[in-house]
Order: sequence, then C-alpha cells, then structure tokens
Amino acid sequence: GENVEQHPSTLSVQEGDSAVIKCTYSDSASNYFPWYKQELGKGPQLIIDIRSNVGEKKDQRIAVTLNKTAKHFSLHITETQPEDSAVYFCAASRRNSWGKLQFGAGTQVVVTP
Amino acid sequence: EAGVAQSPRYKIIEKRQSVAFWCNPISGHATLYWYQQILGQGPKLLIQFQNNGVVDDSQLPKDRFSAERLKGVDSTLKIQPAKLEDSAVYLCASSLLSGSSYEQYFGPGTRLTVT
Repeated sequence: GENVEQHPSTLSVQEGDSAVIKCTYSDSASNYFPWYKQELGKGPQLIIDIRSNVGEKKDQRIAVTLNKTAKHFSLHITETQPEDSAVYFCAASRRNSWGKLQFGAGTQVVVTP
Repeated sequence: EAGVAQSPRYKIIEKRQSVAFWCNPISGHATLYWYQQILGQGPKLLIQFQNNGVVDDSQLPKDRFSAERLKGVDSTLKIQPAKLEDSAVYLCASSLLSGSSYEQYFGPGTRLTVT
C-alpha cells in the first residue's frame, strides 16, 4: 500500500519568513496530493491540493510543488503569520480511490512574532 | 452551511467496555469517512461509505469495530470491547461525489481515552 513520509516533524520560523514542508510517497499510481491544516482541538481543513497533471499550484501565500519522477511534493508558505501556527499534513491517494487518503505524520509549525 | 457534527466530544471508558460515536455529515454529501488519529500521527482511514454502502473498510479492525450508515445520512462507529490502544481522536469527514472536488470536510472529532 501507499506510504507517505513527511519532514520535518517540527518547524519553527520567525514571522515573515518562509516555511517549507516536504513529503515523499511510494505508490507510483498516486495522483492526488492534498495538504490539510489542523488547529488544536479541530479537525483537519484542506488548504491546497494538486493533481498529477500539474507541477505547481499557488493560492496567495501558499504553494505546492509536485515532482512525480522523484515521488515527492512540497508545501511552501511565504510571509508566515502567527495564525499559520498549526499542524500540517500531506496526503496522497490513487485516481480510482481518491477518497482513500494516506496521510503523513504531520509537521508542527510554530510562527514566532 | 453547517459543518460536520460529531458527538460526544470527549469520552473516557475502561478497557473491555463498549463505546459509540455519532456523526452527521454536511447535507448532501454522499461520501462519509471515519478516521482514527492517534496522538502525534496523521489520520488513518477506518471506513468509507458511499450513501449507505461500504466502499472501503480494509483498515477497520472488524473483530471489535463496527460502523453503519443505515439511511445514507448520519453514521455511528462502535468499539466493543475497547482496548488501551484504541485511545485516540475519532474523526468523521464527508465529501461530495464530484470529479471536480475531492475535498474532505472534517468534524471536530471525539477524543476517546481508554483506561
């Protein structure tokens, strides 16, 4: 089955700096890669996703890049703000079972003012 | 639009007891998921429903876990009997059956502590 590894497990950044989280996956049939943000006491919330026919996608301060050859994808957050502090999860799923997400272990991001 | 509702929010039980969690998805969402999230880990899919049918339950420990979605709307997840290792947050999520959006909407979860 699919295995998703996520690094780093914790990330501390100064407000205004950039944050980068990296994930690798094992299943070459995976073609959907979402990123979820989880705040304390809440369920995860989708912040951005990418499908395998696209190499990069941006949404304001957030961007995701995908390298299918190397089987890795990354989340980039620019101009970080204190409200970006949360746990971020990457995930992957296959075309014919897009609902079956395999999540990474998560990255605790702390943005210090 | 109301989000995914779950109850209870917290539950403490002793091992070998039984427990049930309830989930009401976003109105109109045909797909419903139950996840187990152990502290410090990502969510792990337990079961996926499409309307009232099971799509995937390959990671559900069927000797002790059961789930149902009888009328294709709300759902119940049961554990009987509970073990210490079942301590986790149980998340419910729902999504539209749509090729244009794969987004899963998560509820706040039920935190289960087994003592």
